[in-house]
Parts: sequence; structure tokens; C-alpha cells
Amino acid sequence: EAQVTQNPRYLITVTGKKLTVTCSQNMNHEYMSWYRQDPGLGLRQIYYSMNVEVTDKGDVPEGYKVSRKEKRNFPLILESPSPNQTSLYFCASSLDGTANTGELFFGEGSRLTVL
Amino acid sequence: AQKITQTQPGMFVQEKEAVTLDCTYDTSDPSYGLFWYKQPSSGEMIFLIYQGSYDQQNATEGRYSLNFQKARKSANLVISASQLGDSAMYFCAMSANDYKLSFGAGTTVTVRA
Repeated sequence: EAQVTQNPRYLITVTGKKLTVTCSQNMNHEYMSWYRQDPGLGLRQIYYSMNVEVTDKGDVPEGYKVSRKEKRNFPLILESPSPNQTSLYFCASSLDGTANTGELFFGEGSRLTVL
Repeated sequence: AQKITQTQPGMFVQEKEAVTLDCTYDTSDPSYGLFWYKQPSSGEMIFLIYQGSYDQQNATEGRYSLNFQKARKSANLVISASQLGDSAMYFCAMSANDYKLSFGAGTTVTVRA
């Protein structure tokens, strides 16, 4: 089954404790992206990757890191989480970008709480 | 910078009636794509419909249609014959290049029986 898989789905952590949210897709997609969703703000793009070893900042990259060492994986790293990073996070992928294909495949979301 | 505006935080609609969700956008790029996504209470994001800026006809997908008015920079979603399962949050989004997708704040639709 074609899918984007995120882990963990739910996480409660404390300020400053490094964490990684994994994202994996099995569709051989070139493009992957991370978003955070906050009430009243919709989804905001954190980072995206056009291909292996190619990443770029989205609209809200502060406090996050990413890597794209393999095509299928795009982990999101919070080196020192803070309470303002409490949010619902989505990973998404598409074959070659966003405007061309018309469809972004989303993971199920990861709800992160930083105390 | 791209900007998407959804002015309706919440709406109620009677079952079997049509509902229009407003979306306006702002971009200086001549080529862009417009999208609508549905997010039910379970949280997943479901792609509904896509409209390219150069498409001559309005996009339709089953009960969903996109009312694209380029000069007014609007891309309203019309859901016909609403069903209880249409109750969800709906997001309008735009991409003016291949890699950045900007979302509006969303509109919550509640369908009443």
C-alpha cells in the first residue's frame, strides 16, 4: 500500500530533550516536506527536500533540522525542543513537487507536546 | 510572498444542500496551482481537488468543484449535496513554484441532519 509513515504518532517530552520524528514513504517520491499545524494558522511549511541531499527552508524552520540521506526517509530533528514547538506535525511527499502533480500525500500526523 | 486567506472560520450546512467555502490568494507568479484538502476529526489530510492557473475550465471531482476566478484571485470550493461525512476542516492551499505549498487557516464545516 502506498503510504507515508510517521513515527511516533504521539509524544510528550520535556524542554531541551532532543527528539527525532521519522518519516518514510514507499512511493519513490522525489519531493518530501514537513509541516506543522497550529489552531488558526493552518499548516506551515518547516523544511522541504527536492531530492536526496537537497533540502531547503520553508516558512518556519527555526528550531528544526532535517536530513535526506535516502530517498525514502526524511526525518525531522528537534535538537532542543521548546514549548512553542508543541504542535501537530505532518510529513508529506509527492512525485516531483507540488504544483506539477496536484497532489501531496500526507502522513497521519505526529502530535508533539513539549513540557 | 504567497498568502492564502480563508475568511470563514466555521460554517453550518444542512444535509443535501450545497456549501461554498471561500478562498482568496495573493501571488505575483503567473504560474501557480491551487488545492483544497479535507481534514476530518481523525486528523488525516485528504486531497480533494486541484486547479492550475492556466487551466481554462474549473476543476471538478465528483461532488467537489472549484470556482476559479483568476482576476479576483479567488478559488472557492463548492461541495454539492452535503453529506454528514463532509463535516471536517477544509484547507485551501497554493503553490507558486514546485516546492513550497502555502495553506490558509482553514474552515470548519458542520453538516446538520
